[in-house]
Amino acid sequence: GAGVSQSPSNKVTEKGKDVELRCDPISGHTALYWYRQSLGQGLEFLIYFQGNSAPDKSGLPSDRFSAERTGGSVSTLTIQRTQQEDSAVYLCASRAETGELFFGEGSRLTVL
Amino acid sequence: GQSLEQPSEVTAVEGAIVQINCTYQTSGFYGLSWYQQHDGGAPTFLSYNGLDGLEETGRFSSFLSRSDSYGYLLLQELQMKDSASYFCAVRVPPGGKLIFGQGTELSVKP
Repeated sequence: GAGVSQSPSNKVTEKGKDVELRCDPISGHTALYWYRQSLGQGLEFLIYFQGNSAPDKSGLPSDRFSAERTGGSVSTLTIQRTQQEDSAVYLCASRAETGELFFGEGSRLTVL
Repeated sequence: GQSLEQPSEVTAVEGAIVQINCTYQTSGFYGLSWYQQHDGGAPTFLSYNGLDGLEETGRFSSFLSRSDSYGYLLLQELQMKDSASYFCAVRVPPGGKLIFGQGTELSVKP
């Protein structure tokens, strides 16, 4: 596609449920990032995939969070046993050869 | 650890010039980027400095001093549409992940 695509755009779930957020990066971009943004706050780094290298998971806040990237393209961020503090916008970005990041519109997660 | 400091809010009038500063403390450094985010929108890339000095792109310029761990974004001839949040971001080793500051909310008044 022309840009980074994320789905769902909005997700409302109950505390304790698992959620999956999907990211389709720009074709040919080898690096992919996940960030979390709470209302009025900055972008909190979660995880970074670069080619075939092991992902940098240093930003994942707890072991309830995991992510994978299949075939070097689509990525899924999974949050298990969601908590209310997980409510935020989850942003995915892929990186061009120039170093510029292209962001998707985000998945807004609300945990009731 | 990694930390980036930038002012939380800046207000300016249309047609004016505004400078948004960013200082960083990181273990390693590849370069400094700036991103713009309008309310409810996706962040978009503005500029990148890998070396010391000034980079100019239209009304926007960005400066980096690696020895001072400091950079700034300069916006000239401000327009109402420039009202947005501006984030500095640093690429750090290993691997080059991008760490963002907390953002500066710019309000442009008529």
